Amino acid sequence: NAGVTQTPKFQVLKTGQSMTLQCAQDMNHNSMYWYRQDPGMGLRLIYYSASEGTTDKGEVPNGYNVSRLNKREFSLRLESAAPSQTSVYFCASSEGNFQPQHFGDGTRLSIL
Amino acid sequence: DQQVKQNSPSLSVQEGRISILNCDYTNSMFDYFLWYKKYPAEGPTFLISISSIKDKNEDGRFTVFLNKSAKHLSLHIVPSQPGDSAVYFCAASATSGTYKYIFGTGTRLKVLA
Repeated sequence: NAGVTQTPKFQVLKTGQSMTLQCAQDMNHNSMYWYRQDPGMGLRLIYYSASEGTTDKGEVPNGYNVSRLNKREFSLRLESAAPSQTSVYFCASSEGNFQPQHFGDGTRLSIL
Repeated sequence: DQQVKQNSPSLSVQEGRISILNCDYTNSMFDYFLWYKKYPAEGPTFLISISSIKDKNEDGRFTVFLNKSAKHLSLHIVPSQPGDSAVYFCAASATSGTYKYIFGTGTRLKVLA
């Protein structure tokens, strides 16, 4: 029972490189989310998708783009990575409005 | 401006005793609250939630209390077990708004055997 799967688990990039973080869920959830977690900052919402075909900005969207490819998959793209984007990225999904979210195990991203 | 605050970065408790984790919020529109537990190298796991129409919700050893007038919620774990050692996050949302959850910065709980 996979739940929410994120790939890759670790990645090191150079400043200016691009990267897509992948997320897939097998729970038939409608809503999906991308968060970043930085030391002492908690989890901050980057983008979310309330349902297939829709995406909206969260608290910290600058420097990122997202694609809700289908109901299962929600990807996060860094077009030109910056050291400030060094973080742990979590994808989550939920059945719908204001339901508990199920998280993946995260992608640890370092940008040099 | 942090809308959800967990002012205690860490807490140590003896096994078998009660753990009380606190969370304060500033936005009076928040009406749905959740607690998550996070182990190292894993994603957060949902523990328990509470809607503002209630002031208490219980699930086994975990109870969440909500004091709307004080804009404060707390998570009680009784009895505490070593396996409860983790980082606990509270999160809040306004059901009249968008799908955004605001998370606190977390409290690291250590349960001592």
